[in-house]
Amino acid sequence: EVQLVESGGGLVQPGGSLRLSCAASGFTFSNYDMHWVRQATGKGLEWVSAIGTADDTYYPGSVKGRFTISREDAKSSLSLEMNSLRAGDTAVYYCARDGGGGNWSFDLWGRGTLVTVSS
Amino acid sequence: SYVLTQPPSVSVAPGKTAKITCGGNKIGSKNVHWYQQKPGQAPVLVVYDDSDRPSGIPERFSGSNSGNTATLTISGVEAGDEADYYCQVWDSDSDLVVFGGGTKLTVL
Repeated sequence: EVQLVESGGGLVQPGGSLRLSCAASGFTFSNYDMHWVRQATGKGLEWVSAIGTADDTYYPGSVKGRFTISREDAKSSLSLEMNSLRAGDTAVYYCARDGGGGNWSFDLWGRGTLVTVSS
Repeated sequence: SYVLTQPPSVSVAPGKTAKITCGGNKIGSKNVHWYQQKPGQAPVLVVYDDSDRPSGIPERFSGSNSGNTATLTISGVEAGDEADYYCQVWDSDSDLVVFGGGTKLTVL
């Protein structure tokens, strides 16, 4: 079955760190760009990071310098290292597969993992 | 930074046609993607590259894009189409992904 499964979410104090993981299965992971997208409760979608097949990385200003995306193709695994966490980072974090074609659509999503930043 | 504007809500009767707009500066020059998200679920891609449908998405879902407005059209709306819909583009000038604020579709 083609799927993405996130893990690693939880409760963390402001200023703390957390590492999210995403396990891919059912497709050739190394052939795809991958993304993280988050959603605060009751809010819209916010793109968090992307990594290309050549390990090129991309971030919006809201997380640049604090978050690091990485991939391990041999294990079909995607990670997001999050540092200096703030209350505003509280959200469900989704792992998403890029649809290809260079236009950055997301054709496969995981079910998400909840990150709560609170003291 | 690039901004996408969607109406917060759209209402439509069953069997009718719903149109959800997504406004952005010269959005017609970009490729627009649309996602459906039902409560408690992950988003699902329903239209990509302005007007293409992924496999498994009903033909009732279609898209168009021109000038400063992209539109998702849902024909013959069903109760199961009630969801939040988001438009999204890749801004090549900044290498950033941008989502619209989302539109809640209510089936009356």
